[in-house]
Amino acid sequence: GAVVSQHPSRVICKSGTSVKIECRSLDFQATTMFWYRQFPKQSLMLMATSNEGSKATYEQGVEKDKFLINHASLTLSTLTVTSAHPEDSSFYICSATVREDTQYFGPGTRLTVL
Amino acid sequence: QKEVEQNSGPLSVPEGAIASLNCTYSDRGSQSFFWYRQYSGKSPELIMSIYSNGDKEDGRFTAQLNKASQYVSLLIRDSQPSDSATYLCAVNILRAGGTSYGKLTFGQGTILTVHP
Repeated sequence: GAVVSQHPSRVICKSGTSVKIECRSLDFQATTMFWYRQFPKQSLMLMATSNEGSKATYEQGVEKDKFLINHASLTLSTLTVTSAHPEDSSFYICSATVREDTQYFGPGTRLTVL
Repeated sequence: QKEVEQNSGPLSVPEGAIASLNCTYSDRGSQSFFWYRQYSGKSPELIMSIYSNGDKEDGRFTAQLNKASQYVSLLIRDSQPSDSATYLCAVNILRAGGTSYGKLTFGQGTILTVHP
């Protein structure tokens, strides 16, 4: 149980385009979903916390107009990277909580912006 | 002081040995503690959660928690080359008002290499 999927697993796009990443909890309803970013050889950096039906809470230093989060249902959250630039290239990972604190991670999306 | 600190390693052990991974945290009020394993290029995978002082065993893995010392560890018995990965300690740090909102604070991770 507690399976989280992400789509796409890998995306390559041109600078200036927008990219949408989906995160789904497949066998449970998630009270909260989280979005992380990870650069090579670094630990996870929390970007935002997402609750169904409400606005996401962004961490300090994360631009909410650039990283749009929509949490449409208890099983789906999306992250849209708007006007992506090469510095946005990273590994984006979502997680979902079954209870308030146990987080299960999706497989991640590797974004490369040319 | 970082909120969650791990010895960054790398830690190298021979196959069959016990690997010991350590983590300290700063907030005495923390209640939930987790160990995740992350293979290179993959996302983290939950190994263990622990909430009470003492030991918790699951197969070859044992998590140990000492809240008085603000210390949590992970022991891997009979280490295998497939255990080679980065191990992340995560703590549910309480925020102002006494709630965590479900957020975890991660350590920097310890790189473990098990050599045949």
